[in-house]
Amino acid sequence: GDSVTQMEGPVTLSEEAFLTINCTYTATGYPSLFWYVQYPGEGLQLLLKATKADDKGSNKGFEATYRKETTSFHLEKGSVQVSDSAVYFCAPNGGSYIPTFGRGTSLIVHP
Amino acid sequence: GAGVSQSPSNKVTEKGKDVELRCDPISGHTALYWYRQSLGQGLEFLIYFQGNSAPDKSGLPSDRFSAERTGGSVSTLTIQRTQQEDSAVYLCASSSAETQYFGPGTRLLVL
Repeated sequence: GDSVTQMEGPVTLSEEAFLTINCTYTATGYPSLFWYVQYPGEGLQLLLKATKADDKGSNKGFEATYRKETTSFHLEKGSVQVSDSAVYFCAPNGGSYIPTFGRGTSLIVHP
Repeated sequence: GAGVSQSPSNKVTEKGKDVELRCDPISGHTALYWYRQSLGQGLEFLIYFQGNSAPDKSGLPSDRFSAERTGGSVSTLTIQRTQQEDSAVYLCASSSAETQYFGPGTRLLVL
């Protein structure tokens, strides 16, 4: 089945710093790749997705590029804000009806 | 439009009592999932419903856990004889085109 490895958190940054959260996956076939975000006290919500190699998903200043050759989908943002403090989940979907979620990476942004 | 709703938002119960958690998915979504999220942990898949098919119960941790989905819409997760280790956030999600839409969760505390 599918599996995913995310970098351990928490990631602590100052406002306006550059963010990278690494995600690598194993999946059969050609998975779609997702990043979900969970703000404090809320459920998860879709942040961005990519469905084929070299596609770039983007939303709210976040970006991630589908790298099939390295089976990676790293999340980046050029300048984080305090409001970006949340837990981020990488989730490959190789076609199974049961999605695979990473363990989540907590991001803490200080003013 | 209306998203996924869950009730109650918080539930405190005594060890040994039964609890029922409710999920109202997005109208028209045929797939519905229940997950458990323990403090600081990732998502643990519990059960999956798809239309009128038999549910996939492979993630239920014990026979104290059960779930129903009536009329292909509202779902109820029941935990019998609750234990302290059942304390967690229970998340419901409905799905369309591989994307999961999560409710805000029910925070269960078993004393």
